[in-house]
Amino acid sequence: EAGVAQSPRYKIIEKRQSVAFWCNPISGHATLYWYQQILGQGPKLLIQFQNNGVVDDSQLPKDRFSAERLKGVDSTLKIQPAKLEDSAVYLCASSLAHDSGANVLTFGAGSRLTVL
Amino acid sequence: QQQVKQSPQSLIVQKGGISIINCAYENTAFDYFPWYQQFPGKGPALLIAIRPDVSEKKEGRFTISFNKSAKQFSLHIMDSQPGDSATYFCAPSEGKLTFGQGTILTVHP
Repeated sequence: EAGVAQSPRYKIIEKRQSVAFWCNPISGHATLYWYQQILGQGPKLLIQFQNNGVVDDSQLPKDRFSAERLKGVDSTLKIQPAKLEDSAVYLCASSLAHDSGANVLTFGAGSRLTVL
Repeated sequence: QQQVKQSPQSLIVQKGGISIINCAYENTAFDYFPWYQQFPGKGPALLIAIRPDVSEKKEGRFTISFNKSAKQFSLHIMDSQPGDSATYFCAPSEGKLTFGQGTILTVHP
């Protein structure tokens, strides 16, 4: 089966600019996740969708980050305005069911953001 | 993420040796204990996972050992190969994965 697709793979922007990342999950996967992975650290969950509804966005910096999952399939993560500390890899993952503790998450290759 | 601590941060072993990575956690509500493997430029991928009702699970060269009373679980890689060189993350879960800081494993030929 096709994996989780993400684009762009790399993005370099100036601070205070905006950026958007796109994710296409595995077909049929109801749950979609966005993680932030800062260099040398483990991934940190930003937001979790079940179909097109938000399940958990407790660690999403809502003053600058937003995400949507229209029609319960593709998702977009936006950062506006970007800060230097937003430099990271943004990973999208999907799973069949809601409980990420009982199901396998399949990750995309990620989008690497550099903020100058 | 402070509630999950991995050790060591990095590990170098010779081909054919045993690699051991440990994960200590604080949250007693965790009920699923996976290890993820990540290669450079790729996303993490599930390697092996265990439920707390068993103390050990083996899949090929990979074994998880689980110690509920000590709140620790470990990954053992037998007959380590250069292709195992990657970053390994424990990610215990109680509905949401909590990733450790990662262990960089290098296997020398």
